[in-house]
Amino acid sequence: KAGVTQTPRYLIKTRGQQVTLSCSPISGHRSVSWYQQTPGQGLQFLFEYFSETQRNKGNFPGRFSGRQFSNSRSEMNVSTLELGDSALYLCASSLGYGGETEAFFGQGTRLTVV
Amino acid sequence: DAKTTQPNSMESNEEEPVHLPCNHSTISGTDYIHWYRQLPSQGPEYVIHGLTSNVNNRMASLAIAEDRKSSTLILHRATLRDAAVYYCILRDGSYDKVIFGPGTSLSVIP
Repeated sequence: KAGVTQTPRYLIKTRGQQVTLSCSPISGHRSVSWYQQTPGQGLQFLFEYFSETQRNKGNFPGRFSGRQFSNSRSEMNVSTLELGDSALYLCASSLGYGGETEAFFGQGTRLTVV
Repeated sequence: DAKTTQPNSMESNEEEPVHLPCNHSTISGTDYIHWYRQLPSQGPEYVIHGLTSNVNNRMASLAIAEDRKSSTLILHRATLRDAAVYYCILRDGSYDKVIFGPGTSLSVIP
């Protein structure tokens, strides 16, 4: 079966702009979570959605937001981009939410802010 | 918040067992211990997870200390394809938090 698909794979934006990243989960998975990965901070949890509801949120400013649609596809948005937002953004999907289920990750979207 | 600590790097000879440690001294009763690994330019890949009991699957084994303050991921026979960064992750069963460890970079020597 198809894995988690993230689009686009690469993106270059200018400071102050906003960006929207997309994640299509594995068919049947209802939970989608987002992560930011940088060389300095490693993998950091952004938020998790289940059945269109945000269930968990990491420690990120309000410029980072997300949503999930009825077909479980998810988008995350970053407004007023800063240079420090340059990172690999990863999406993962799972059947349920929380610690009981395993997560399957996409290849990520590499965002560069210039 | 619970945190995990892992060695920055480890080496193993090919076809030998590898024991990757993770400390999580402030783990709560509802935290699940997950392990993922990441190859360069790829997203993390699920390896194994558990709550209290030791777990085995086709990829690895997870040994959890009786007090749950530490765990060990065991790769029974390391191959070159096992060279990756291994992350020990705590995932709260009540869905409140997801905390990543720093990861251990595993090198496999032919």
